[in-house]
Amino acid sequence: AQSVTQPDIHITVSEGASLELRCNYSYGATPYLFWYVQSPGQGLQLLLKYFSGDTLVQGIKGFEAEFKRSQSSFNLRKPSVHWSDAAEYFCAFNQAGTALIFGKGTTLSVSS
Amino acid sequence: DSGVTQTPKHLITATGQRVTLRCSPRSGDLSVYWYQQSLDQGLQFLIHYYNGEERAKGNILERFSAQQFPDLHSELNLSSLELGDSALYFCASSRGQGSIQPQHFGDGTRLSIL
Repeated sequence: AQSVTQPDIHITVSEGASLELRCNYSYGATPYLFWYVQSPGQGLQLLLKYFSGDTLVQGIKGFEAEFKRSQSSFNLRKPSVHWSDAAEYFCAFNQAGTALIFGKGTTLSVSS
Repeated sequence: DSGVTQTPKHLITATGQRVTLRCSPRSGDLSVYWYQQSLDQGLQFLIHYYNGEERAKGNILERFSAQQFPDLHSELNLSSLELGDSALYFCASSRGQGSIQPQHFGDGTRLSIL
């Protein structure tokens, strides 16, 4: 069955430290992959997307993600976390034009 | 600001009632998607409309229905409400159908059933 797994429910990172959020997908072909961020009381904001080509994609707010076909992974990274990055992060995929399938999300806390 | 507008932001009602959630997509977007976000189920796809026509259904209950109007706004109707329908309901829009354009989300409608 098609699915997205985010193994970490909650992660705490010190401000200024690096961040990596994990995402694994289960799908028969190469999907279209996305990372969204949700701040409290807000909707989901698109951070970045991967459709094809370069497997390292750059997004907004200094985030990047790397697609690894062999590991069925699409991990999100940021070299230096800011307190304002505290939020919930969702990995998702779809076939073009269809519904998004989301992971359960990872809550990021940033400590000072 | 994603450009997707959802109203109302909050809705409080009682079991057995019926409510309508409204979504205005981004200018130029023809596809509208509805999602439900709850603590136990996470984010789940409900239904997709493209240019006024239903294109796909997900985990949408028979008590729920939706439509997309000629001006492309969409409404999600929830009836015979139960406590378990309490959730955050998101609308998202994208340019087309079968395109690789990403979906952009509104801020959601928080529905509380008392």
